[in-house]
Amino acid sequence: DTEVTQTPKHLVMGMTNKKSLKCEQHMGHRAMYWYKQKAKKPPELMFVYSYEKLSINESVPSRFSPECPNSSLLNLHLHALQPEDSALYLCASSDSSGGKETQYFGPGTRLLVL
Amino acid sequence: RKEVEQDPGPFNVPEGATVAFNCTYSNSASQSFFWYRQDCRKEPKLLMSVYSSGNEDGRFTAQLNRASQYISLLIRDSKLSDSATYLCVVLDRGSTLGRLYFGRGTQLTVWP
Repeated sequence: DTEVTQTPKHLVMGMTNKKSLKCEQHMGHRAMYWYKQKAKKPPELMFVYSYEKLSINESVPSRFSPECPNSSLLNLHLHALQPEDSALYLCASSDSSGGKETQYFGPGTRLLVL
Repeated sequence: RKEVEQDPGPFNVPEGATVAFNCTYSNSASQSFFWYRQDCRKEPKLLMSVYSSGNEDGRFTAQLNRASQYISLLIRDSKLSDSATYLCVVLDRGSTLGRLYFGRGTQLTVWP
């Protein structure tokens, strides 16, 4: 089973709202990722958690706040977003079996900021 | 210079055609290589890993040339369902974990 789940599928929020995106995997993967993808562009890395610790923050604005409550869950807290933050937010997880570190993506949350 | 360079296409081919996508990467120390497929408004899905010896999965053949830092994907006997964007992806491993670098994707449309 290579399933990563994400909720919600769609989210519309105003610039003053606070919302959270959720991601879950039960594959025992120790690394989890948040990506942002705009239309017709490849995914852009935002954050990486390794063994529940934040390992990489790609200079993401503080209005995005990641959280890893346990090894299976990854959240992305959103506050005071801008319309240009509208995008598909993808969660991924990876193992390092054989050193290949294949990443598996969740279905994404399509976010619209008004 | 981008880590991964990929021809964005679009490629428009008839059913049954053979189509090839190419990709180059800049970091000679890159360790793992993949092709992902992304359908419109969906997440990227792993199509296949790419090995130096070349590997085949049904109608799909992937090749890696480390000396030239070049990756290819060949699709034979194209089907309508092959229409998608194909992402060339390279894994660079730091001290603790790997990080993916994506090409901009090649759009394929297979027409009847």
